[in-house]
Amino acid sequence: AQTVTQSQPEMSVQEAETVTLSCTYDTSENNYYLFWYKQPPSRQMILVIRQEAYKQQNATENRFSVNFQKAAKSFSLKISDSQLGDTAMYFCAFCMNRDDKIIFGKGTRLHILP
Amino acid sequence: DGGITQSPKYLFRKEGQNVTLSCEQNLNHDAMYWYRQDPGQGLRLIYYSQIVNDFQKGDIAEGYSVSREKKESFPLTVTSAQKNPTAFYLCASSYLNSPLHFGNGTRLTVT
Repeated sequence: AQTVTQSQPEMSVQEAETVTLSCTYDTSENNYYLFWYKQPPSRQMILVIRQEAYKQQNATENRFSVNFQKAAKSFSLKISDSQLGDTAMYFCAFCMNRDDKIIFGKGTRLHILP
Repeated sequence: DGGITQSPKYLFRKEGQNVTLSCEQNLNHDAMYWYRQDPGQGLRLIYYSQIVNDFQKGDIAEGYSVSREKKESFPLTVTSAQKNPTAFYLCASSYLNSPLHFGNGTRLTVT
């Protein structure tokens, strides 16, 4: 069975700093998708970034980028120039190609301090 | 505007009563999902459906039931057999392997 592990339950960084959130996953599949979702205090789930396993290039979205290491089954999220609005729970998620079941990690609560 | 609507936002029930959570989408997505969120547990998959009139159990389906009679609707019933039903419930939909679109969630409290 596929699993997603986020080893950092909670993190705090100063505003404008760079922070990296860790995610590892376990699968025997070769083709799959990985996602990072953000859940602010409003509890609305927001897609941050998406990575297809067949793409070697790391995905980026403005201040958000990933370090995708397929062999190590690692998918970390880097937030550059962190802002107060980045304070949220961040969830790593995994999805295989052949079905639509999407598995989430337990999340990392990120606090951006002024 | 296209999106997913979950209602109600807050729901209160007495122990022993069944309760149904509504989820409607107008995104024309084939797949729909129900997740449960508890503190420190992340999102756990209850049921998902990839097509009308078909659905699969997720990791924590016991005590829950669903139906998918229409593409747009995927209601979740929390039965009296669910031992610890108080939680935040999120409905989502997607098309193929596209990212999930989430509703705003329903907070269910059972006393």
